[in-house]
Amino acid sequence: AQTVTQSQPEMSVQEAETVTLSCTYDTSESDYYLFWYKQPPSRQMILVIRQEAYKQQNATENRFSVNFQKAAKSFSLKISDSQLGDAAMYFCAYRSQAGSYQLTFGKGTKLSVIP
Amino acid sequence: NAGVMQNPRHLVRRRGQEARLRCSPMKGHSHVYWYRQLPEEGLKFMVYLQKENIIDESGMPKERFSAEFPKEGPSILRIQQVVRGDSAAYFCASSLRPTASGGATDTQYFGPGTRLTVL
Repeated sequence: AQTVTQSQPEMSVQEAETVTLSCTYDTSESDYYLFWYKQPPSRQMILVIRQEAYKQQNATENRFSVNFQKAAKSFSLKISDSQLGDAAMYFCAYRSQAGSYQLTFGKGTKLSVIP
Repeated sequence: NAGVMQNPRHLVRRRGQEARLRCSPMKGHSHVYWYRQLPEEGLKFMVYLQKENIIDESGMPKERFSAEFPKEGPSILRIQQVVRGDSAAYFCASSLRPTASGGATDTQYFGPGTRLTVL
């Protein structure tokens, strides 16, 4: 079974600065997908970014980018020019290419943005 | 274009009562996933359904929990004889069509969740 580990329960960043959230995973599969979801205080789960394991190029979505290290099974999220609205819980998730495609989530990192 | 809808947003039940949670997927989506989030935890998969079929219920407790996704109407997650340990946020996600090759069609979009409190 796959596992996803987020080793930073809480992080903080100054507004306009850059922060990196860590995620590692364990799998024996070679093909899979990785995601970062954001959960603000409203508790709505919002997709931030996705990465296909077969792609070497790191995914980017505006101020959000990932550092995907397949050999190290690492998938960190970098948020540039942090904004107050970025304050939320961030969950890393793994999705297999087999089975029913359910997501396996880490326990999350709570990000605070300091004005 | 309405997103995934869940109702109620908040549900309070006493021990032993039944809880019914509803999920309407995004328009055109025929695949529904249910997840449970306990306090201070990430979401955990419960069940995956297509219209009129349960595809994978490996994450669902064997007793008291059931799910359906009828041909017409929303998907329902039903919890019978609730206990305090059932208190959690329950999220529904829908996708257009999960495929082995991936792509945007398999992205899961989440509803706002139902927070169940068992007294």
